[in-house]
Amino acid sequence: AQSVTQLDSQVPVFEEAPVELRCNYSSSVSVYLFWYVQYPNQGLQLLLKYLSGSTLVKGINGFEAEFNKSQTSFHLRKPSVHISDTAEYFCAVSVQDQAGTALIFGKGTTLSVSS
Amino acid sequence: KAGVTQTPRYLIKTRGQQVTLSCSPISGHRSVSWYQQTPGQGLQFLFEYFSETQRNKGNFPGRFSGRQFSNSRSEMNVSTLELGDSALYLCASSLAGATSDTQYFGPGTRLTVL
Repeated sequence: AQSVTQLDSQVPVFEEAPVELRCNYSSSVSVYLFWYVQYPNQGLQLLLKYLSGSTLVKGINGFEAEFNKSQTSFHLRKPSVHISDTAEYFCAVSVQDQAGTALIFGKGTTLSVSS
Repeated sequence: KAGVTQTPRYLIKTRGQQVTLSCSPISGHRSVSWYQQTPGQGLQFLFEYFSETQRNKGNFPGRFSGRQFSNSRSEMNVSTLELGDSALYLCASSLAGATSDTQYFGPGTRLTVL
């Protein structure tokens, strides 16, 4: 079965520090990869996605992610975080195989940015 | 453009009852997907409808069903409610489909089963 593992459930950082939110997936077939963010009391919105092409993907709000096929990872990074980045971040993988198509989310990483 | 809307926003039901949730996608979007979000299990994919046809389905029992109308509005039904069905139910719409396209999420319906 396909799975998505977000290695850290909570990441506390200070403002202006760099951050990396880790995501690994298990899949033996081609995948599309996504990061979504859920701000407090708001719905989810897409940060970035990887479908094909360059393995370094840039998203909104200064976030970027790198697809590493050999390590089956799609880690999210930001060089300098702001208080407003405090939110829950979800990694998601869509997998197409003989059984059909599935979109699988990780359990989320709570990023807490303090001053 | 108006965003994805979900009604009702909050719902309280008792075990054994059934419930219907509604989702109106962004105008022009033909794909509507449903998700269940709980603290323990996180976000889990329920199903996706595209042009009135169920295109993909997650690993949920048959008590969970849905449909999509010709105007792309979608409903999700849960029959014989169980306590474990208490969750935030999210709906998302996209142009081309949940698994390759950007999804736009609604605010969710908070279902509490007593």
